[in-house]
Amino acid sequence: AQSVTQLDSQVPVFEEAPVELRCNYSSSVSVYLFWYVQYPNQGLQLLLKYLSGSTLVKGINGFEAEFNKSQTSFHLRKPSVHISDTAEYFCAVNTGGFKTIFGAGTRLFVKA
Amino acid sequence: EPEVTQTPSHQVTQMGQEVILRCVPISNHLYFYWYRQILGQKVEFLVSFYNNEISEKSEIFDDQFSVERPDGSNFTLKIRSTKLEDSAMYFCASSEAGVSYNEQFFGPGTRLTVL
Repeated sequence: AQSVTQLDSQVPVFEEAPVELRCNYSSSVSVYLFWYVQYPNQGLQLLLKYLSGSTLVKGINGFEAEFNKSQTSFHLRKPSVHISDTAEYFCAVNTGGFKTIFGAGTRLFVKA
Repeated sequence: EPEVTQTPSHQVTQMGQEVILRCVPISNHLYFYWYRQILGQKVEFLVSFYNNEISEKSEIFDDQFSVERPDGSNFTLKIRSTKLEDSAMYFCASSEAGVSYNEQFFGPGTRLTVL
């Protein structure tokens, strides 16, 4: 069975600092990986996805993530965060089946 | 850009009442899903639906839940007799057929409050 672990429940960071949100997954088969963002009282918005090919994927709002198969990781990074990036970030995995498995989420809190 | 829509955005109901949450998936998508997120917790898969039948469901999706595609555009989730613990955000999602990676597009959610 697949699982997703987001290692940090909360990440406080100052504005304009870099940030990395960590995600590890467990699966015995090939995976497709996603990062979603949820702003307060809103739905899920896709930030980026890894389907195949280049292991470095770029998404919206300046975010990028790197797929590392040997470490079963898909960490999300941004070189310089803004106050508006304050939100909950969910890592998710799908193996081509019907179900997408979500991590518990990381709350990114950007301070001025 | 096409998107998944959900109505209502917020539903308040009394315990024991039936509720129907509605979703309009992206028009050329053939797979449909419901997920829920209890406040402060992770997003959990409930059910997937394809070709007018359930293709997969989780242990959460018990006999009090049902799904239906009543016409060519809507996809509904019915909770027959709501419990306090059904209070959550419910997300509808849809995906294309014929692709292996199954990227699911999510709606904005319906917040269900059971009193």
